[in-house]
Amino acid sequence: NAGVTQTPKFRILKIGQSMTLQCAQDMNHNYMYWYRQDPGMGLKLIYYSVGAGITDKGEVPNGYNVSRSTTEDFPLRLELAAPSQTSVYFCASSDFGGPDTEAFFGQGTRLTVV
Amino acid sequence: AQTVTQSQPEMSVQEAETVTLSCTYDTSESDYYLFWYKQPPSRQMILVIRQEAYKQQNATENRFSVNFQKAAKSFSLKISDSQLGDAAMYFCVENSGNTPLVFGKGTRLSVIA
Repeated sequence: NAGVTQTPKFRILKIGQSMTLQCAQDMNHNYMYWYRQDPGMGLKLIYYSVGAGITDKGEVPNGYNVSRSTTEDFPLRLELAAPSQTSVYFCASSDFGGPDTEAFFGQGTRLTVV
Repeated sequence: AQTVTQSQPEMSVQEAETVTLSCTYDTSESDYYLFWYKQPPSRQMILVIRQEAYKQQNATENRFSVNFQKAAKSFSLKISDSQLGDAAMYFCVENSGNTPLVFGKGTRLSVIA
């Protein structure tokens, strides 16, 4: 059981470039999330999804886009990368209800925009 | 909007001693879960302990226990017999099902040998 898989683990982008951060989960969770974590700070919600075909903005969505065509995958697209997007990005998934309710996290993607 | 507040940005504890990390939340949902996650320097998010709002009994996991005060919307984490490996950032997280996970800003715990 792989849990939540994020790729890549590290990436350096030049200003203005675009990229997609991949996230896949194999637990059939309805809820998936993208967070960013700046150095020494907590996690800020970028986008989330409550099921395939449904996405919604979080606290800091500007400069990002997402899609959820399947239950398993929730890619995050960065368009026109800016230095302010230098951060560690976490994908997470969860379901709700029952004694095993828990949020599962990917290992994170460290992104540097130069 | 729901918020989770961790009022202690940093804490320190002597090895083998006990430390308590504070957390308050303000959800209006009747059913929800609360978690403490640990994030060591490796960045991995590790579940420490979980509490369901409907359960009155405080959760315990080995050296980790919580003090869940539902009326006060308080959810503190107690670490007993602290070990060097407990040094990490600790996040209090609320999950009410209909809204995204809500994170506190975190408490950085240092363990002094």
